[in-house]
Amino acid sequence: SQQGEEDPQALSIQEGENATMNCSYKTSINNLQWYRQNSGRGLVHLILIRSNEREKHSGRLRVTLDTSKKSSSLLITASRAADTASYFCATADSYNFNKFYFGSGTKLNVKP
Amino acid sequence: DGGITQSPKYLFRKEGQNVTLSCEQNLNHDAMYWYRQDPGQGLRLIYYSQIVNDFQKGDIAEGYSVSREKKESFPLTVTSAQKNPTAFYLCASSIRDGSGYTFGSGTRLTVV
Repeated sequence: SQQGEEDPQALSIQEGENATMNCSYKTSINNLQWYRQNSGRGLVHLILIRSNEREKHSGRLRVTLDTSKKSSSLLITASRAADTASYFCATADSYNFNKFYFGSGTKLNVKP
Repeated sequence: DGGITQSPKYLFRKEGQNVTLSCEQNLNHDAMYWYRQDPGQGLRLIYYSQIVNDFQKGDIAEGYSVSREKKESFPLTVTSAQKNPTAFYLCASSIRDGSGYTFGSGTRLTVV
């Protein structure tokens, strides 16, 4: 299966700390994306990194991609209570880059 | 405002009933998708459509049916053949360039 796997499954930190989540996948990808889901809501697209990129930034988010290890990480710096949510990685395979496979997510709790 | 609308937000189904979940988008996106999410789990692809009047099965299509008669609409019917339909259903749409999905806010289906 192409499905990514996030690690850890759950993460609890204090406000102001950094949060790091990891994603591993199994086959060649076109790109990898990270999404956020607040409880009981739809997913919101955060950031996309293409297979030929190694690092990307967007505000307090930093994403890295290591295609040799088939892994990615999402770093949220200076976390806030409002960052509390589940975070999912999604991979699009090389043959059908419009079809995404989602991992099971990391549930982040940021304590005020 | 452009977006993707799912209705209803909550739906209750009796045993043996078919129910239809609505998904409408005004983003002019070609592709639309249906995912199922079980508690604490990732998303699993049910059906997707890359163009009007065409759709393909995802990983868990059994017990579900879809239609794509209009670009804006991609309704999902949960049939009585789906033995465990209680879940959170998410609809998404995208431009066909691999840049990511826009999600609706979801429909929570419960069998009573």
